[in-house]
Amino acid sequence: GAGVSQSPSNKVTEKGKDVELRCDPISGHTALYWYRQSLGQGLEFLIYFQGNSAPDKSGLPSDRFSAERTGGSVSTLTIQRTQQEDSAVYLCASSLEGTVGNEQFFGPGTRLTVL
Amino acid sequence: QQQVKQSPQSLIVQKGGISIINCAYENTAFDYFPWYQQFPGKGPALLIAIRPDVSEKKEGRFTISFNKSAKQFSLHIMDSQPGDSATYFCAASKSGNQFYFGTGTSLTVIP
Repeated sequence: GAGVSQSPSNKVTEKGKDVELRCDPISGHTALYWYRQSLGQGLEFLIYFQGNSAPDKSGLPSDRFSAERTGGSVSTLTIQRTQQEDSAVYLCASSLEGTVGNEQFFGPGTRLTVL
Repeated sequence: QQQVKQSPQSLIVQKGGISIINCAYENTAFDYFPWYQQFPGKGPALLIAIRPDVSEKKEGRFTISFNKSAKQFSLHIMDSQPGDSATYFCAASKSGNQFYFGTGTSLTVIP
């Protein structure tokens, strides 16, 4: 089917506002990853979901960041009380099983700008 | 702490030349080393990957060289083409869970 989709593609918000970013993984993929890509910084791991297991939240930079995955499919990354340093491209990826060698398929990302 | 260090930050190569990008890692528990290619406005796409039990993997014009003792791996692009101009990221993971990415190399291939 279709690849990983993310929405919105661009989001401009004011400092202090909350934002929700959505990821639709490839159908049947059990693993889902969120990354943050800042200019010149590469990809920073945020959170990882695998099936019904508890998510690996070790990459979330602060308690303003949270994510959920409903029904093992769609995921939402929420950033509360946004700060200017949150401005980045947020990438979502999914893979078939999340085991070694399973290819991650990335979405096009959501570019977040916090004014 | 940067788990995976990548160099150079940018690279300019003549068409037909060889592009070489290097990465180094610290955690000996890493067992999967992929390279990703990213074009502007797109998400990264897997290019080629290697596991630590082999020293080299080749797919078309792309080759990964892996040195387990030195904890280094590199991407070689033979006969570089203008269409190869993109940002390349190396990465490492343990058991396919958390992936650690390098900071990226912007490659420009001049016609």
